[in-house]
Amino acid sequence: DADVTQTPRNRITKTGKRIMLECSQTKGHDRMYWYRQDPGLGLRLIYYSFDVKDINKGEISDGYSVSRQAQAKFSLSLESAIPNQTALYFCATSQTGAANQPQHFGDGTRLSIL
Amino acid sequence: RKEVEQDPGPFNVPEGATVAFNCTYSNSASQSFFWYRQDCRKEPKLLMSVYSSGNEDGRFTAQLNRASQYISLLIRDSKLSDSATYLCVVNTRAAGNKLTFGGGTRVLVKP
Repeated sequence: DADVTQTPRNRITKTGKRIMLECSQTKGHDRMYWYRQDPGLGLRLIYYSFDVKDINKGEISDGYSVSRQAQAKFSLSLESAIPNQTALYFCATSQTGAANQPQHFGDGTRLSIL
Repeated sequence: RKEVEQDPGPFNVPEGATVAFNCTYSNSASQSFFWYRQDCRKEPKLLMSVYSSGNEDGRFTAQLNRASQYISLLIRDSKLSDSATYLCVVNTRAAGNKLTFGGGTRVLVKP
């Protein structure tokens, strides 16, 4: 089983719909992240959480919200989806500690907004 | 200027050859550096951390040049399976230990 699991893997929906992407992890990590990836732009951070009571905006948080329901769960919501939110979304986790802790990624969610 | 910049490539490499490419970063306070590998439509996976003195992992060698603010990755004896996009990743503690990703360098190893 994957250590970082994202659901759904693929989603096609219409403009204006509310969408939730879910992420769960079995690694026991405190820190969780949501990124989006667009061709040529690399990964950009949407939101991150260093523990259950800690939520922080990343560089592109507008149009998104998150919920850290438990240490192992971090969900991303698009309240009213728009076409330019079409992208590949990744959840990641890392352990609290020194700055050289790498991040571990889920398989990604491919989201298309029509 | 992007915080982390990479040549997007592609670098077309004959099988068995050596390829090297760099990544530059703009924040001099950056503390940790990584190379991730990403296959098409897949998640990024950690390839190796980059240490100040340089480090090697099999056919892969990473170097850090703090004075010029770049890191490099060298792949020796390239295999077809090395074809992927290589992401340069930088951690800056002053930015809350968040990772900043470069756009990736695409490498295509051909027979």
